[in-house]
Amino acid sequence: DAKTTQPNSMESNEEEPVHLPCNHSTISGTDYIHWYRQLPSQGPEYVIHGLTSNVNNRMASLAIAEDRKSSTLILHRATLRDAAVYYCILRDGSGSARQLTFGSGTQLTVLP
Amino acid sequence: NAGVTQTPKFRILKIGQSMTLQCTQDMNHNYMYWYRQDPGMGLKLIYYSVGAGITDKGEVPNGYNVSRSTTEDFPLRLELAAPSQTSVYFCASSYEGWWESFFGQGTRLTVV
Repeated sequence: DAKTTQPNSMESNEEEPVHLPCNHSTISGTDYIHWYRQLPSQGPEYVIHGLTSNVNNRMASLAIAEDRKSSTLILHRATLRDAAVYYCILRDGSGSARQLTFGSGTQLTVLP
Repeated sequence: NAGVTQTPKFRILKIGQSMTLQCTQDMNHNYMYWYRQDPGMGLKLIYYSVGAGITDKGEVPNGYNVSRSTTEDFPLRLELAAPSQTSVYFCASSYEGWWESFFGQGTRLTVV
C-alpha cells in the first residue's frame, strides 16, 4: 500500500478553520484518499473520501491536489469536539486492498 | 440501526486463559476486520474477512484465531492470553474493501 505522511500534531482555535495536510507522493491511479478520525477512547470514525475532485460533506471538505500527491482535510469551523487524531489513508479502489493501513495520524488540539 | 457492536467492553484475563471477543454488524457488510491499538499507536490489522467462510491474516495474527460462519458475526479468539496482548481491540466492517469502514466502540483487554 502507498504510504501517507502527516504532521504529528496541530493546534487550532475554536471556531476557526483547520487545514490538515497529508502527503502521498506514491499514490496510484486507483487509490482513494480516505480520512478517519479517532476521538479519545472511541473507535475511528469515517470523515470523508475522494479520488480526484474536491469533496464536501456535512463534516468536512477534502481538497485534492491536481497531481494527487497531496490532500488537505478542511474543518470549516473547529469545535472542541473536533479534537481528535486524524488519519489520512489510501485505499485501492481496484479491489486488491482489503484493509485500512493506519499511520500515526495528526493529533489535533482545539483551543477554546 | 446498531452498526458494529462489540462485547465485552472491558475484560481482565490471567496469563494462559482464553476468551472470545464478539463482533456483530447489522449492515449486511461483506468485509469485516479486527484491529488492535496499543497505547499511543495507530491501529494494526489482526485478521480480516471478505465474506462468510473466508478469512485471512493481517499484520499481527499470532496468538489469535477468527471464524466467519455468518455475514453478521466475526468473533476473535485468544487461546493462551499473554501480557503482550494487552490492548484495545476494534472490530470494523465495510460493504466493499475500499468503501468507508464502520468501527465498533472497542474492547479494552488487560492480561495480567
